[in-house]
Amino acid sequence: GENVEQHPSTLSVQEGDSAVIKCTYSDSASNYFPWYKQELGKRPQLIIDIRSNVGEKKDQRIAVTLNKTAKHFSLHITETQPEDSAVYFCAVRSGGSNYKLTFGKGTLLTVNP
Amino acid sequence: DAGITQSPRHKVTETGTPVTLRCHQTENHRYMYWYRQDPGHGLRLIHYSYGVKDTDKGEVSDGYSVSRSKTEDFLLTLESATSSQTSVYFCAISDMRWGTSGIVYEQYFGPGTRLTVT
Repeated sequence: GENVEQHPSTLSVQEGDSAVIKCTYSDSASNYFPWYKQELGKRPQLIIDIRSNVGEKKDQRIAVTLNKTAKHFSLHITETQPEDSAVYFCAVRSGGSNYKLTFGKGTLLTVNP
Repeated sequence: DAGITQSPRHKVTETGTPVTLRCHQTENHRYMYWYRQDPGHGLRLIHYSYGVKDTDKGEVSDGYSVSRSKTEDFLLTLESATSSQTSVYFCAISDMRWGTSGIVYEQYFGPGTRLTVT
């Protein structure tokens, strides 16, 4: 099955700095790559996603880039704010499954004021 | 919140007892999922459903069963709870829709159930 690795497991940045989280996957036929943000005690929330026919997608301060050849994708958060502090999960939908996601193990992002 | 509720939200039970968690959705979503979340493991799929009475196993299905007799309800049962099943359980839904660059299957989560097995 699909194998998704996420790095780093923890990330601490100063307010205003950028943060980058990277995920690698194993199935070259994977075609959908969402990112979720989970605040403490809350449910994971979908924040941005990208399909395999797109190389980059932006939404205000967040962006996702995809490198299909290297089978990795990254979440970029610019001008970080304390409210960006949370656990972030990447996920992958494999080519053989239209309705299952495989998740990375998460990155705890801490933005220090 | 995609109209998803979970019940109970918190439960403490003893080893060996059966436990049933309920996921209820109000928006007629076809696909429903049960995940468990544990520190260091992220979100792991237990079982999923692709329609009424259509279910399949995920990566950590041992010790769990599911049922979906109505579109709106997806039940997760622990036949005989063990301490290793202490976890936070999330239900999720998804649907197919046409996005700007093709078909997408966005997945949304319920509020979660914290289960403690003593």
